[in-house]
Amino acid sequence: AQSVSQHNHHVILSEAASLELGCNYSYGGTVNLFWYVQYPGQHLQLLLKYFSGDPLVKGIKGFEAEFIKSKFSFNLRKPSVQWSDTAEYFCAVDIYNTDKLIFGTGTRLQVFP
Amino acid sequence: DVKVTQSSRYLVKRTGEKVFLECVQDMDHENMFWYRQDPGLGLRLIYFSYDVKMKEKGDIPEGYSVSREKKERFSLILESASTNQTSMYLCASSSPTSGGAGGEQFFGPGTRLTVL
Repeated sequence: AQSVSQHNHHVILSEAASLELGCNYSYGGTVNLFWYVQYPGQHLQLLLKYFSGDPLVKGIKGFEAEFIKSKFSFNLRKPSVQWSDTAEYFCAVDIYNTDKLIFGTGTRLQVFP
Repeated sequence: DVKVTQSSRYLVKRTGEKVFLECVQDMDHENMFWYRQDPGLGLRLIYFSYDVKMKEKGDIPEGYSVSREKKERFSLILESASTNQTSMYLCASSSPTSGGAGGEQFFGPGTRLTVL
């Protein structure tokens, strides 16, 4: 069965530190890739998405992600985190345009001032 | 702005009760989804629907059913609630990827259901 792995379950950083959250998926065909964020007490919202073209995609709030097809990865990055980035981050994959998303288990990010 | 609303933010029910969770979207999306979110497990798909009157089982449909009588409304039904169904339930909607919309799902605020 297809799956999405987020290896970092809980990440703790100080403000201004750089962030990289890993996401790997197990499927060799066409994929659409997403990162969602859930701030405390809020609903899930889209950070960024990749469908085709430039494998480096930029999203909201200074986040970016790189699709590396050979590694089946879509890692999320931010050069300098802020306290307001404290949230849970989910990677999701739509396999072969089925419109269904397979979600990873999420990474909880805590940023301390 | 896409809006997905869910009927309740918090719900407390007793074991054996029939529970209805309602979801409404206002963007004329064809696709609608129900997930449950549990700590350490991420989001797991319960049921989804590509169109009115259509429904498909997701990864964990046992103990649940759904109804989609109108395009904008997708209901999740727990026929006989059990304590292991205590969870956060999320509804989402999207346009079809084949239509060029990209498949982004828009989520509601969630219903935190506690079954005692």
